[in-house]
Amino acid sequence: NAGVTQTPKFQVLKTGQSMTLQCAQDMNHEYMSWYRQDPGMGLRLIHYSVGAGITDQGEVPNGYNVSRSTTEDFPLRLLSAAPSQTSVYFCASSPSRGWNQPQHFGDGTRLSIL
Amino acid sequence: QQQVKQSPQSLIVQKGGISIINCAYENTAFDYFPWYQQFPGKGPALLIAIRPDVSEKKEGRFTISFNKSAKQFSLHIMDSQPGDSATYFCAASGSGGYQKVTFGIGTKLQVIP
Repeated sequence: NAGVTQTPKFQVLKTGQSMTLQCAQDMNHEYMSWYRQDPGMGLRLIHYSVGAGITDQGEVPNGYNVSRSTTEDFPLRLLSAAPSQTSVYFCASSPSRGWNQPQHFGDGTRLSIL
Repeated sequence: QQQVKQSPQSLIVQKGGISIINCAYENTAFDYFPWYQQFPGKGPALLIAIRPDVSEKKEGRFTISFNKSAKQFSLHIMDSQPGDSATYFCAASGSGGYQKVTFGIGTKLQVIP
């Protein structure tokens, strides 16, 4: 099993450009989430999904869109990149069964907005 | 408002020493408290977790101590090794269905030989 795979690993964008960060998991997990990691701020939830076709906003959703058409994939779209979106982005997945399952994280996408 | 407060932000410990990271939470609905370990260039990975009906949980050199009345929990790394150098995040969530996980700001641990 590959676990959670994120692509690309690095990306540089210009202000105003759009792009999609890809996330795929092969563990048949129902729950998937996107976080951004910034120095001194920990991990902050952007959007999450509890299953195919169901998404909801997290703590910092502005400027980002998500969709979940399949169980495996959960792409994050930046609509019009801004320097404030320079960050490391992590996708995570977890199973729905059982009492509080741990999250499995990908290795992140390092995004710089110029 | 930071719901999970973590300290210190950075920590330097001598090899063989004890590393201690503290966290405090405010939301009494939290009932799952995991710790994640993150190495440079990698995503966080679950290290150890505790439920509030237990005051301590130990896995190898890693121990979580939990004080429900004070709403505090801490990670102790005994006999710290250079390979333990990483960023550690405490976290908290509720139970039942999907529960958003609230993370602390992280502690960068450096274990020096």
